[in-house]
Amino acid sequence: AQSVTQLGSHVSVSEGALVLLRCNYSSSVPPYLFWYVQYPNQGLQLLLKYTSAATLVKGINGFEAEFKKSETSFHLTKPSAHMSDAAEYFCAVSEGNTGGFKTIFGAGTRLFVKA
Amino acid sequence: GAGVSQSPRYKVTKRGQDVALRCDPISGHVSLYWYRQALGQGPEFLTYFNYEAQQDKSGLPNDRFSAERPEGSISTLTIQRTEQRDSAMYRCASSLVEGGYEQYFGPGTRLTVT
Repeated sequence: AQSVTQLGSHVSVSEGALVLLRCNYSSSVPPYLFWYVQYPNQGLQLLLKYTSAATLVKGINGFEAEFKKSETSFHLTKPSAHMSDAAEYFCAVSEGNTGGFKTIFGAGTRLFVKA
Repeated sequence: GAGVSQSPRYKVTKRGQDVALRCDPISGHVSLYWYRQALGQGPEFLTYFNYEAQQDKSGLPNDRFSAERPEGSISTLTIQRTEQRDSAMYRCASSLVEGGYEQYFGPGTRLTVT
């Protein structure tokens, strides 16, 4: 069964600094991997996804993530943080099995951006 | 175009009452998912459908929870004999098909059981 671990429930960075949000997954078959962002009082919005094509995936708002099978990781990065990046970020994994494609989300990492 | 809509947005009910939460997915989307999200946590998978067929209901906490999607479009999540521990945000999402496709989330229904 698949699972997702996000290391660090809170991450704080200064504006302009590198953003690194960590995600490790467990999956018995090649997975689909996603990062979603949730702004206060809003629904989740897709940032990027990995679907077995290029291992380095570029998403919206300057975010990217790299799929590393050997490390079972899918960390999210952004070279320079902006105040508007302050939000909660969720990593998710989806794998195919006899029951279809259940999606499991991590507990989330709240990103704080300091001026 | 219209996104995923959910109703009601807020529901306050007394312990022991039944509640029905509605999800209207994006037109043409095959897959529909239900999640429960506690404050400060990620969405917790409950169940999902492809068309009208319930593919996986392994996340439903107990037999008080049920879901249906009879015509492959609108879905209803029903909680019978509600308990205080059922209080949470219930989110619905739809995707074009299952698998490696983006899920589009609705605004959620905030359920409070008093």
